[in-house]
Amino acid sequence: GAVVSQHPSRVICKSGTSVKIECRSLDFQATTMFWYRQFPKQSLMLMATSNEGSKATYEQGVEKDKFLINHASLTLSTLTVTSAHPEDSSFYICSARDGTGRYSPLHFGNGTRLTVT
Amino acid sequence: EDKVVQSPLSLVVHEGDTVTLNCSYEVTNFRSLLWYKQEKKAPTFLFMLTSSGIEKKSGRLSSILDKKELFSILNITATQTGDSAIYLCASNTGTASKLTFGTGTRLQVTL
Repeated sequence: GAVVSQHPSRVICKSGTSVKIECRSLDFQATTMFWYRQFPKQSLMLMATSNEGSKATYEQGVEKDKFLINHASLTLSTLTVTSAHPEDSSFYICSARDGTGRYSPLHFGNGTRLTVT
Repeated sequence: EDKVVQSPLSLVVHEGDTVTLNCSYEVTNFRSLLWYKQEKKAPTFLFMLTSSGIEKKSGRLSSILDKKELFSILNITATQTGDSAIYLCASNTGTASKLTFGTGTRLQVTL
């Protein structure tokens, strides 16, 4: 089945530093990838849609200058949390659609747990 | 604003019981409804439903969609401790597979 790989799985950083998270589709090409954030005991919230070769589309309330998204190839999207603060500590998950059809299901990476101290 | 509501929020059952998880949705440009199981890390895909009344089945899990009443159920029969997880329901709307998730149902299966 479709595999989405996310790296790193866990990162601890100091306040004010930047952290980059990678999301790769291993056995399929993904023109579109999605970044979600999940706080403890809450559901997944879509942050942004990453489009290969163009600018990402951000959801309302998500700062695009803080959460930089780059989708440079059909198999890789990156999310950079810039100038991280403790309130950015969360579980970040990427997903990609396997297939070109509109009804193809999304597959998720294993997530990155970010802790900002 | 698109909304997906799941119930119950949490559930504790004994191994062998049958459970039914509920998901209702109120969204624009509905395309499909998806169920995911989330254990410690990222969600794993269970079902995608696009048509009303057609049950999808995988082992002890099954799911069905009612597009008229805007809800879906996920059934798990003969539950096992390995079924303990958060079950997420999501509605796929609009273009580019945007998913709106419910808050999930936390299922705990005890011996």
